[in-house]
Amino acid sequence: DTEVTQTPKHLVMGMTNKKSLKCEQHMGHRAMYWYKQKAKKPPELMFVYSYEKLSINESVPSRFSPECPNSSLLNLHLHALQPEDSALYLCASSSGGTGNTIYFGEGSWLTVV
Amino acid sequence: GIQVEQSPPDLILQEGANSTLRCNFSDSVNNLQWFHQNPWGQLINLFYIPSGTKQNGRLSATTVATERYSLLYISSSQTTDSGVYFCAVKGSSASKIIFGSGTRLSIRP
Repeated sequence: DTEVTQTPKHLVMGMTNKKSLKCEQHMGHRAMYWYKQKAKKPPELMFVYSYEKLSINESVPSRFSPECPNSSLLNLHLHALQPEDSALYLCASSSGGTGNTIYFGEGSWLTVV
Repeated sequence: GIQVEQSPPDLILQEGANSTLRCNFSDSVNNLQWFHQNPWGQLINLFYIPSGTKQNGRLSATTVATERYSLLYISSSQTTDSGVYFCAVKGSSASKIIFGSGTRLSIRP
């Protein structure tokens, strides 16, 4: 069983909607991640938070806005998305540092109509 | 940045067969993990193995860091082994983990 919980599992939103994806972990991890995965492709890193501070932004469009309210929670706010943003969004966490296992949640399947 | 190549891209086997999946990387790494992505999209950790050999049941993995490759062995395949297997690495001088393109494994009953 995954110890990284993502909600919702499925989301359909219009291009003018505002929605959020949520991620929670209770493993005491200090690094949290958002990845985006398109069909038949590997996951691509979007954002990394380390000790609740944004440490990596992979030049993600501003219509995706991450937020880390505390060490256990990670949100991804979505606004004015395009149909090509439809994908599986994966949250992950690790204890931080170089040699640590990264654990993924089950993902949120997003469809933009 | 570091390049990660996985082979073969696709593999179809009968139940009970053995298989070897390969991950080549272009630079020294300090983090290497193997994942299994099931048909529902979840990425499941198999091994954290930047060097050496590990075994877990029917699965084992070996990383030869000096030669820049890792191998994942699956023995006595079961239909539940189907899915995509990813190798993910972090270069020693890098700040992020990079995924290979994956091996899609289909086990037929």
